[in-house]
Amino acid sequence: QVHLVQSGAEVKKPGASVKVSCKASEYTFNNYYVHWVRQAPGQGLEWMGRMNPSGRSTSHAQRFQGRVTMTRDTSTGTAYMEMSSLRPDDTAVYYCATPREPFSGSGYHTYWGQGTLVTVSS
Amino acid sequence: DIQMTQSPSSLSASVGDTVTITCQASPDITKYLNWYQQKPGKAPKLLIYDASNLESGVPSRFSGSGSGTDFTFTISSLQPEDVATYYCQQGDYLPFTFGPGTKVDIK
Repeated sequence: QVHLVQSGAEVKKPGASVKVSCKASEYTFNNYYVHWVRQAPGQGLEWMGRMNPSGRSTSHAQRFQGRVTMTRDTSTGTAYMEMSSLRPDDTAVYYCATPREPFSGSGYHTYWGQGTLVTVSS
Repeated sequence: DIQMTQSPSSLSASVGDTVTITCQASPDITKYLNWYQQKPGKAPKLLIYDASNLESGVPSRFSGSGSGTDFTFTISSLQPEDVATYYCQQGDYLPFTFGPGTKVDIK
């Protein structure tokens, strides 16, 4: 079982950046792909991207290309998602998620963080 | 990107009813279709993966079927705790797109 704990809520001004962290309770977190999914208020789920276990390979949805950076610190078992040039329509809950099996590039998400609300407002 | 559609967008049914949600993908995604349940204020929960495989610990009243472009999700006997929004998601091609969701409540 993998428990993912995310950083707390953030309030940012338009144009700023935000960095959300996702830490796992299991050291083997370093063996999992990490996906990021967001959900705007009252809206559906939007897949943003994923990062492989080593952190050397990432894939993003086209609309986030150039604005989202996914990284991980294998020494602490923490993954990060940084978004720049924030706009009010980036206001959303951001989730990290992983598949059930280590080293699996599968598209299903078994384990989820609790979500981090990012509010972008002037 | 793969386009995902779901129908209906919402439904209301009685306790004990059978509930069916459909999801269409364009183009073909073979069997790589997942179903999630999301309750208000909570993270989504994986129920079905690869079209028909029940995730561990998920009640057997939930089931999925289909392949290619057409998929179905069924709750065989709706329970009060099943009130939630249900999303399909394709896991065949990056980006792994979600459907728009189906809101299920009790009549």
